[in-house]
Amino acid sequence: EVQLVQSGAEVRKPGESLRISCKGSGYTFTNYWIGWVRQMPGKGLEWMGIIYPGDSDTRYSPSLQGKVTFTADRSITTAYLQWNSLRASDTAIYYCARSRGDFGNYFDYWGQGTLVTVSS
Amino acid sequence: DIEMTQSPSSLSASVGERVTFTCRASRPMSSWLNWYQQKPGEAPKLLIYGTSNLQSGVPSRFSGSGSGTEFTLTISSLLPEDFASYYCQQTYSPPHTFGQGTKLEIK
Repeated sequence: EVQLVQSGAEVRKPGESLRISCKGSGYTFTNYWIGWVRQMPGKGLEWMGIIYPGDSDTRYSPSLQGKVTFTADRSITTAYLQWNSLRASDTAIYYCARSRGDFGNYFDYWGQGTLVTVSS
Repeated sequence: DIEMTQSPSSLSASVGERVTFTCRASRPMSSWLNWYQQKPGEAPKLLIYGTSNLQSGVPSRFSGSGSGTEFTLTISSLLPEDFASYYCQQTYSPPHTFGQGTKLEIK
């Protein structure tokens, strides 16, 4: 069974750093892209970008380039989303999702989401 | 970036009704258009990929169609569990933008 299990909710202050995780299981982790999707409070879904754990190739949304970093550790089948300096506007639920490449790309399995709250 | 515009933003309907959601792209694109359903407090769920392909396990009352700049998701006969938000996503050109969503509510 394919599963993506994300790390728990986090509370940070502005300016602090943070890394959240997404552990994949039930499939060959290095053969599929992992995407990150942001959902700000009461808002819709925003595509942040994707990472290919096989070689750590990454694609970022231009609006987020330089603000977040995607990494992956193949040895523990885990992808990460990292901030070096959080802002209040980063408060959101963050989802990871597996991307399949047939018929275009689509997110067929999703993590449960990680709520990140940034507040002073 | 390709901007995706969904209409309507919200819709009230009754159980048993047929409903159609529309998603328009800011420029012509291929058939790489996906639809997701999201219920409150849950992660999104894939319904349709590549415009018209039903994801495994998704009921056949859901269907998708379209081409060029206009795409639709249809639910042939609403069930209580279908009341949720629906999002389209284009994967023709990065960034793979989502529409702003349509919230389907019970009338």
